[in-house]
Amino acid sequence: QVQLQESGPGLVKPSETLSLTCTVSGASISGHYWNWIRQPPGKGLEWIGYFYYGGSSDYNPSLKSRVTISVDTSKNQFSLKLTSVTAADTAVFYCARGRTAPSGTVEFDQWGQGTLVTVSS
Amino acid sequence: DIQMTQSPSSLSASVGDRVTITCQASQDISNYLNWYQQKPGKAPKRLIYDASKLEPGVPSRFSGSGSGTDFSFTISSPQPEDIGTYYCQQYDDFPLTFGGGTKVEIK
Repeated sequence: QVQLQESGPGLVKPSETLSLTCTVSGASISGHYWNWIRQPPGKGLEWIGYFYYGGSSDYNPSLKSRVTISVDTSKNQFSLKLTSVTAADTAVFYCARGRTAPSGTVEFDQWGQGTLVTVSS
Repeated sequence: DIQMTQSPSSLSASVGDRVTITCQASQDISNYLNWYQQKPGKAPKRLIYDASKLEPGVPSRFSGSGSGTDFSFTISSPQPEDIGTYYCQQYDDFPLTFGGGTKVEIK
């Protein structure tokens, strides 16, 4: 049974870098697309981006200049870094496994439970 | 980016009523549309994919239809456990985008 678990600081100061890790159990990090999605409190969902094990990545243009997603195969984990955060980045962050969709993009087939990150001094 | 416009933003229905949510894409997305259910404090759960295909194990009272730019999601006879927020999501192109959500209350 595949499980994804987010971890990282729940509080980040403005202008600093938000760093989260998603630990994957029950499946290898090899293959698949490894995604981050966020949801500000009381608001909708926003796809942040993915890293594909083969080495490619794609990010939402709205965040592209500030985002890096990477994979650590030795730990079966993948990570999110979001730089220069502001209060507008306060959100629940979800990690999700993806697979190739019929359209050629990605569909999510497993989600983590989510972790709240608050940006505040 | 493909914009997904979902309506209504909230609704209240009685047990047994028919509930319909609509989602409009800003451009043709074929049938590359998912519908998710999200309960408070939980990750979204996909109910419908390819606009009209039911995920295994999802009750048959849930259904989806549409193609191109106009889609709808129906709960034929809502049950108390169907409360939550429902989202459409396109996967025709990157960036993947979601509708704004519809909060469903069951009276």
